[in-house]
Amino acid sequence: AQSVSQHNHHVILSEAASLELGCNYSYGGTVNLFWYVQYPGQHLQLLLKYFSGDPLVKGIKGFEAEFIKSKFSFNLRKPSVQWSDTAEYFCAVMGDFNKFYFGSGTKLNVKP
Amino acid sequence: DSGVTQTPKHLITATGQRVTLRCSPRSGDLSVYWYQQSLDQGLQFLIQYYNGEERAKGNILERFSAQQFPDLHSELNLSSLELGDSALYFCASSEGVRDTQYFGPGTRLTVL
Repeated sequence: AQSVSQHNHHVILSEAASLELGCNYSYGGTVNLFWYVQYPGQHLQLLLKYFSGDPLVKGIKGFEAEFIKSKFSFNLRKPSVQWSDTAEYFCAVMGDFNKFYFGSGTKLNVKP
Repeated sequence: DSGVTQTPKHLITATGQRVTLRCSPRSGDLSVYWYQQSLDQGLQFLIQYYNGEERAKGNILERFSAQQFPDLHSELNLSSLELGDSALYFCASSEGVRDTQYFGPGTRLTVL
């Protein structure tokens, strides 16, 4: 069965620190990969996506992610976080039969 | 604002009851997806409709059903409700079958 793993459940950083959130998926076929963010009290918003082409994708608000096919990974990065980045981050994979799988989420708490 | 609307925002009901959640997709989007988000299960994909037809099925219980109408809005019907059905139910829409999904604000269901 396909699955998505986010190993960091809760991350606490100070402002200006660098961020990397891990995402691994289990599926050998063609996948579409996404990172979504959910700010407190709000709905999920798309940060970035990978469908094909350059494995380094840039999203909104300075986020980027790198698709490494050999490692089945799609890690999210940001060089310098801000207090406003405090949110929950979800990695998602669209695999077989258009089914969408979300990771369990990573709660990021950025201290001012 | 993603352009996806969901009603109602909150719903409180009793065990054994039946409720209907409604979703209107973004203008031009043909696909509608339903998700359940709970503390213990995380974000679970329930079902996808494309232009009125079911396209993908996830972890949707038999007590739950959905449909997409000719005007493309969708309804999720939850019956014989149990305490464990208390969750946030999200709807998302996309242009095609494997496109970026845009999420609505969710309906918070509380079963007492």
